[in-house]
Amino acid sequence: GAVVSQHPSRVICKSGTSVKIECRSLDFQATTMFWYRQFPKKSLMLMATSNEGSKATYEQGVEKDKFLINHASLTLSTLTVTSAHPEDSSFYICSARRVLNQPQHFGDGTRLSIL
Amino acid sequence: KQEVTQIPAALSVPEGENLVLNCSFTDSAIYNLQWFRQDPGKGLTSLLLIQSSQREQTSGRLNASLDKSSGRSTLYIAASQPGDSATYLCAVSGNTPLVFGKGTRLSVIA
Repeated sequence: GAVVSQHPSRVICKSGTSVKIECRSLDFQATTMFWYRQFPKKSLMLMATSNEGSKATYEQGVEKDKFLINHASLTLSTLTVTSAHPEDSSFYICSARRVLNQPQHFGDGTRLSIL
Repeated sequence: KQEVTQIPAALSVPEGENLVLNCSFTDSAIYNLQWFRQDPGKGLTSLLLIQSSQREQTSGRLNASLDKSSGRSTLYIAASQPGDSATYLCAVSGNTPLVFGKGTRLSVIA
């Protein structure tokens, strides 16, 4: 089956720190990767969509300068939360897809806590 | 814009009961529909994937149906167990990334 690995699983850091989260598709090439954010007891909210080699497309209300997304290869996408503040604390989940009509596969998520 | 609604928001049943979770979506132009399970503080576990051309999928005690024309799906769980307690999320995929419902929080009481 398709496996998506997300790292780290948990991050606790001070306000002002930049945090990088990696998402890797281990056994398939992902032309598209997605980043979601989930608040406690809420559903997943799409933050951005990235296609390999292209700039990410951000959803309305998501600051592209705050959440930097890089999708440099068909198996790796990174999300960097720049100058993180307590309000950025959340659960971030990545997802990868081979092609348009194929299912999305999800990582295990990263719990980010900014003190 | 695709919208996904799940009913009920929460459900509590005694162990052994059969139960049905409901999902509806507004745009029937979908590629597939997925049901996921999420345990507290954890990621998503894919349960069933139904392609738009299919009517249902089964895995063990789980059966998911899809009526694309009416924009509805149901997840049937047979002989529920305490280990089934989790949040169940329905999501649809079309020309957009997966759009999620808000989930149904299921508690199965021993």
